[in-house]
Amino acid sequence: DAKTTQPPSMDCAEGRAANLPCNHSTISGNEYVYWYRQIHSQGPQYIIHGLKNNETNEMASLIITEDRKSSTLILPHATLRDTAVYYCIVRPPREEKLTFGTGTRLTIIP
Amino acid sequence: NAGVMQNPRHLVRRRGQEARLRCSPMKGHSHVYWYRQLPEEGLKFMVYLQKENIIDESGMPKERFSAEFPKEGPSILRIQQVVRGDSAAYFCASSPTGGNEQFFGPGTRLTVL
Repeated sequence: DAKTTQPPSMDCAEGRAANLPCNHSTISGNEYVYWYRQIHSQGPQYIIHGLKNNETNEMASLIITEDRKSSTLILPHATLRDTAVYYCIVRPPREEKLTFGTGTRLTIIP
Repeated sequence: NAGVMQNPRHLVRRRGQEARLRCSPMKGHSHVYWYRQLPEEGLKFMVYLQKENIIDESGMPKERFSAEFPKEGPSILRIQQVVRGDSAAYFCASSPTGGNEQFFGPGTRLTVL
């Protein structure tokens, strides 16, 4: 079972920052937080992952709270192409499989 | 560098037939994963393979499903005697080594009539 809780849906205006929350209150000290997204009918796409520190790449930023019980994925300037289901995944370091939950369906509004 | 390739993209089978789904990982990737997504549901892990070895098949149904990743050629997910409940999107992913991000293919949509 997924160890994360996400809101089922969110809307965001085009051009604004999209902030997607994720709760993982039972996370262990060595488990990573991964984010993937799935645009309609396509395969999931890796976005970013982190352990303790905040991370940033060309797609997004990941903010992990100090107690690591929650995190936020930030898409700085959302576009219509960012409309997708976003999955937050907690992954033990030596576990290969990804355990997907139900995710957040993000809709970018023109 | 081509991404993960899956074929066919769409497959229609009648109940009782066999379905073979193929996955070619990205160049240089020796780790392959299969996931299934039932209609309106999230993705569920099925099996993890390295070249010629099944490493974790904890998500595979006990009967009718098998997977292989031979030394040469693509990984194959085989479903024997398909039933309507097997209708789903089957996604393959690959990674260069274990523990890294997985790159997903476009999926094979299986419809069982």
